[in-house]
Amino acid sequence: DAGVIQSPRHEVTEMGQEVTLRCKPISGHDYLFWYRQTMMRGLELLIYFNNNVPIDDSGMPEDRFSAKMPNASFSTLKIQPSEPRDSAVYFCASTPGQAYTGELFFGEGSRLTVL
Amino acid sequence: AQKITQTQPGMFVQEKEAVTLDCTYDTSDQSYGLFWYKQPSSGEMIFLIYQGSYDEQNATEGRYSLNFQKARKSANLVISASQLGDSAMYFCAMRERGGGSNYKLTFGKGTLLTVNP
Repeated sequence: DAGVIQSPRHEVTEMGQEVTLRCKPISGHDYLFWYRQTMMRGLELLIYFNNNVPIDDSGMPEDRFSAKMPNASFSTLKIQPSEPRDSAVYFCASTPGQAYTGELFFGEGSRLTVL
Repeated sequence: AQKITQTQPGMFVQEKEAVTLDCTYDTSDQSYGLFWYKQPSSGEMIFLIYQGSYDEQNATEGRYSLNFQKARKSANLVISASQLGDSAMYFCAMRERGGGSNYKLTFGKGTLLTVNP
């Protein structure tokens, strides 16, 4: 079975440009998470969805960040306009939910560099 | 206050020896879960082991075991018979139920383990 799929794996862009990161969760998983990893702040939860509905977006840094989940098999994280401090690895993860222990299944990450 | 504290930024161990990676947590929930993940230099996050707060026995998965001391709020990872491939960053994480269905994990800062030949 395919794991969580993220694209692009690497993105280099210039300050001010729009960045869109994409994620396909594991089929049948009800929960989808976006995390950001930096050396300074570690792994931070940005937002998570349950059945395509955003449940907690308290980790989204500011209005430049937005996330959507139009259907059960696709989510996007958009940064507009991007800034150098947004440079990080962005992970998408999913989990089945319900009675499950809650292990998160992570994608390979999208490494973003904003120049 | 930090929810998950990993006090060892880096650890070294000789191949074939055992090593303990420390993790303490802070929660007022009675029902919670504790996780360990491994992140090799290639960057992916690999789930290693899970311990539920109501589990009476320490979790084990192959060479990994979790030393769960509930009263001390610690969940240390023990890796037995270290291998060179165990060199990686290790993250402790917690899931708090919060009275409902909450599946988000809070991660510690990680410990970088280096296994020496």
